[in-house]
Amino acid sequence: DQQVKQNSPSLSVQEGRISILNCDYTNSMFDYFLWYKKYPAEGPTFLISISSIKDKNEDGRFTVFLNKSAKHLSLHIVPSQPGDSAVYFCAASAQGGADGLTFGKGTHLIIQP
Amino acid sequence: DSGVTQTPKHLITATGQRVTLRCSPRSGDLSVYWYQQSLDQGLQFLIQYYNGEERAKGNILERFSAQQFPDLHSELNLSSLELGDSALYFCASSVIYENSPLHFGNGTRLTVT
Repeated sequence: DQQVKQNSPSLSVQEGRISILNCDYTNSMFDYFLWYKKYPAEGPTFLISISSIKDKNEDGRFTVFLNKSAKHLSLHIVPSQPGDSAVYFCAASAQGGADGLTFGKGTHLIIQP
Repeated sequence: DSGVTQTPKHLITATGQRVTLRCSPRSGDLSVYWYQQSLDQGLQFLIQYYNGEERAKGNILERFSAQQFPDLHSELNLSSLELGDSALYFCASSVIYENSPLHFGNGTRLTVT
């Protein structure tokens, strides 16, 4: 049973436009959510996180939105740059991370010139 | 550079063998996590240590074991290896275990032949 789902395996966006990556979760105990970016042959790199007490968190070009009632979060990247091409993983934890992070399978974002 | 060091980068071994993967966490991080990423799978949580003690277990097989040493480095031991154990194994560390982002190493790619 996949508790964190990223339903789009890939997404193609033009440079300069907005990239929106989506993530759905089923475990209502999740209270902390993160986005990671991964380049080939490297480990995942932490991008941004959000606690369940918030519905938005912004860091530069990256904004994460959380809709608890829909069990949905999204990552917005504005404007998209060529270096943003990577695989993006959504992750979630419950109980202060007592059972580690649960990851989605990732979305491959491709930024086209 | 995340500051998390994993060795070796690549490991090729035969079925039935035993291997040890090593991880040095970021300076100051007390928590170490191990994750497995198989083909077409997301990152699966294996086990977590905090300041030398096992904190949480995920989908870790009985043939696998781990430990965290007094200097906080960690080792993941995989024994009686099977073809299906071929995967990327990531180590991550964090300052504390509650709602802290994890910082990942670049992984060890294990190939079992």
